[in-house]
Amino acid sequence: DTAVSQTPKYLVTQMGNDKSIKCEQNLGHDTMYWYKQDSKKFLKIMFSYNNKELIINETVPNRFSPKSPDKAHLNLHINSLELGDSAVYFCASSQVGGPSYEQYFGPGTRLTVT
Amino acid sequence: SQQGEEDPQALSIQEGENATMNCSYKTSINNLQWYRQNSGRGLVHLILIRSNEREKHSGRLRVTLDTSKKSSSLLITASRAADTASYFCATRGYQKVTFGTGTKLQVIP
Repeated sequence: DTAVSQTPKYLVTQMGNDKSIKCEQNLGHDTMYWYKQDSKKFLKIMFSYNNKELIINETVPNRFSPKSPDKAHLNLHINSLELGDSAVYFCASSQVGGPSYEQYFGPGTRLTVT
Repeated sequence: SQQGEEDPQALSIQEGENATMNCSYKTSINNLQWYRQNSGRGLVHLILIRSNEREKHSGRLRVTLDTSKKSSSLLITASRAADTASYFCATRGYQKVTFGTGTKLQVIP
């Protein structure tokens, strides 16, 4: 019973390509997130959606475009990939309005841009 | 700027010993959370402590929070090889949670 799932798990692509990462949660949460974890393990929030509406956009280049077709899905599309985009991307979800913002993370997508 | 910073960056101990990790943050918070990340996996929530709490326990985990010093500590007692992972503190401010830089813990069997 996977709570937060991401596909693909690994993605190797060349500079300039466009790629998408998909995320789905079956926890019934209202809020979903995308994080980027770099090679030094620093985890930085990129986007947050609440009930399909964007609530956080952390100065991410506009080559990154999140899309939330419904509150259980938050996909990340990346245009014109650059070497610096290589990282592990994590999707997460939480139930905003509850007693905490405890987040449930997906397994991550390791993106390698060559 | 990075909200939370963990100290030490890396820690290596023998199985059975206690492990202590510290987290410092810069702005006021609603709560502070600790997460564990095993190699190649996503983060897993361990424990949450609210800003009006000073100490919290969960199994072998003990978390303290000192809001006057803007710091928290995570103590893992009687460590096991399976505790080998990176540990992150995360502070909740307005609308979002910000993660620290992490402490990499190695427990040697």
